[in-house]
Amino acid sequence: QVQLQESGPGLVKPSGTLSLTCTVSGASIINDVWWSTWVRQPPGKGLEWIGEIFHAGTTNYNPSLKSRVTFSIDTSKNQFSLRLDSVTAADTAIYYCASTIIPYTQGEHWGQGILLTVSS
Amino acid sequence: QSALTQPASVAGSPGQSIAISCTGTSGDVGAYNFVSWYKQHPGKAPEFIIYDVDKRPSGVSDRFSGSKSGNTASLTISGLQDEDEADYYCSSYTSSRTYVFGTGTKVTVL
Repeated sequence: QVQLQESGPGLVKPSGTLSLTCTVSGASIINDVWWSTWVRQPPGKGLEWIGEIFHAGTTNYNPSLKSRVTFSIDTSKNQFSLRLDSVTAADTAIYYCASTIIPYTQGEHWGQGILLTVSS
Repeated sequence: QSALTQPASVAGSPGQSIAISCTGTSGDVGAYNFVSWYKQHPGKAPEFIIYDVDKRPSGVSDRFSGSKSGNTASLTISGLQDEDEADYYCSSYTSSRTYVFGTGTKVTVL
């Protein structure tokens, strides 16, 4: 059974940097054809695709966030991570990680989500 | 990239069928058969219910079906049940090699 768990600070100051990690258990994201995605949802609003990273390290980012976001994979820990620079209150949201071997989709395996609040 | 357009709300009585539309452009929905649908209960992570326009992942009820015509994809829920009350989002691959979600639709079971 594949499970994903997001972890991170919860609270970040404006202009600071957000770092979130998604730990995958029940599957090795480097041994199969895995696509891993970050999605966010501001409180009371809809889903926003942040970007995706392929197990080999290829990335695709939302153009609106591309200048501030960086994804990475830690193969030794079966984790993938998101870094978002220069955060503002508009980045306050629940952040979800997701993984799948089904191409062209965010897929069936999602973390429970983590609320990130940007506030001084 | 602009969010795909979905109706804000759709309602139906138990046992009825409802359809949710997802309208994009020739650069996303109209360009590829890579439309997915997700169901989200309040406070929970999205659940994957349709991919590649009309394919159901293992374990998803056959009461959920998908289709597409031109730049508009649709999700149909047949035999509406109380547990279907949730928010629904479409997602499409785009010609920019990115993805875009729909605006979301709240389904109410009357």
